[in-house]
Amino acid sequence: NAGVTQTPKFQVLKTGQSMTLQCAQDMNHEYMSWYRQDPGMGLRLIHYSVGAGITDQGEVPNGYNVSRSTTEDFPLRLLSAAPSQTSVYFCASSRGGRNKNIQYFGAGTRLSVL
Amino acid sequence: AQRVTQPEKLLSVFKGAPVELKCNYSYSGSPELFWYVQYSRQRLQLLLRHISRESIKGFTADLNKGETSFHLKKPFAQEEDSAMYYCALSGQGNTPLVFGKGTRLSVIA
Repeated sequence: NAGVTQTPKFQVLKTGQSMTLQCAQDMNHEYMSWYRQDPGMGLRLIHYSVGAGITDQGEVPNGYNVSRSTTEDFPLRLLSAAPSQTSVYFCASSRGGRNKNIQYFGAGTRLSVL
Repeated sequence: AQRVTQPEKLLSVFKGAPVELKCNYSYSGSPELFWYVQYSRQRLQLLLRHISRESIKGFTADLNKGETSFHLKKPFAQEEDSAMYYCALSGQGNTPLVFGKGTRLSVIA
């Protein structure tokens, strides 16, 4: 039972570099989300998707892109990394409908931007 | 707009003492409220949801619409309850979950 798998676990980037954080789930969940977790700020929603081909912005979308070409995968792209994007990133998935808020989280990616 | 407020960043209690983690919300419609928990070196996971009206690991939470609160309570804290707790709110339809800033609970032996 893999659940929600995030790669990599750790990453260090230089300012201006780009990279993609990977997220895959094997539960056939419709709903997927990306959050960032910062001390004192809690979990803030970056982008979310209610199904393949559909994405929407969350609270803090600037500097990030997403796409959802398959049900399983929901990658998060940092276009030009900035120190303010240093954070722990969590991907989550859930069934749609009444259970969309019972979210299953990945183990997280710890990102440092120098 | 949906908003969740957890007024305490850190709550320290002695083992065996009662625990109350506060959560207040702002939402004009009928919200759905949740508590999520993150134990050390574990993934964030759902603890309980208000519509289930159940007790999980001895914790309960009652939705008080008059006070717009959803406080998490446990009568006797255990050391294994030490964790980060997040209150979360969802509105109707496909609106995403909104989390509070979290409260770190530390249970002292």
